[in-house]
Amino acid sequence: NAGVMQNPRHLVRRRGQEARLRCSPMKGHSHVYWYRQLPEEGLKFMVYLQKENIIDESGMPKERFSAEFPKEGPSILRIQQVVRGDSAAYFCASSPPLAPLSYNEQFFGPGTRLTVL
Amino acid sequence: GNSVTQMEGPVTLSEEAFLTINCTYTATGYPSLFWYVQYPGEGLQLLLKATKADDKGSNKGFEATYRKETTSFHLEKGSVQVSDSAVYFCASMNRDDKIIFGKGTRLHILP
Repeated sequence: NAGVMQNPRHLVRRRGQEARLRCSPMKGHSHVYWYRQLPEEGLKFMVYLQKENIIDESGMPKERFSAEFPKEGPSILRIQQVVRGDSAAYFCASSPPLAPLSYNEQFFGPGTRLTVL
Repeated sequence: GNSVTQMEGPVTLSEEAFLTINCTYTATGYPSLFWYVQYPGEGLQLLLKATKADDKGSNKGFEATYRKETTSFHLEKGSVQVSDSAVYFCASMNRDDKIIFGKGTRLHILP
């Protein structure tokens, strides 16, 4: 069973361009989470999605950032008109369908390191 | 809101030394608690977890006990190895499934 896959692993963009980050969850997992890690910081929650639904986007910047998890295919985190401050590592995690009365373990991918020039 | 505070690094130890990395949390309710490890250039790996008070998580010689009375989840290892050099993150999660991470503690083990 392959783990969470993210691509690309490294992405370089110039200011004003668009960045698209992809995440394929583990087989059988229906929940996807995106986190951002700024240099020398911990990870910060961005968004939580299920298939075709955004469950919680309270950590997403209000502008330029969007996320989707379509019925088919990977989850996409899209950043429009990137700025230098968007340079960070973006991690995706996935989890299986919720188990009642239990916490929902998240499995992390290797991350995409975005550099904005 | 919920938060996690862990000791700042870097922490530098000699091989076979005893390790403690302190972690405290604030949360509503009773969160699950985790330690994650990040090796250079890699993603996060779950090291250990505890889901209720007084639980002890353990893995690869690392241990941490969920202390509700002191809201702590300190990471310990009796004898560290060079291969333990990494960044360690303490984290909490409530039922909303959002993981709250500490800032991380970089650990260097010298041979």
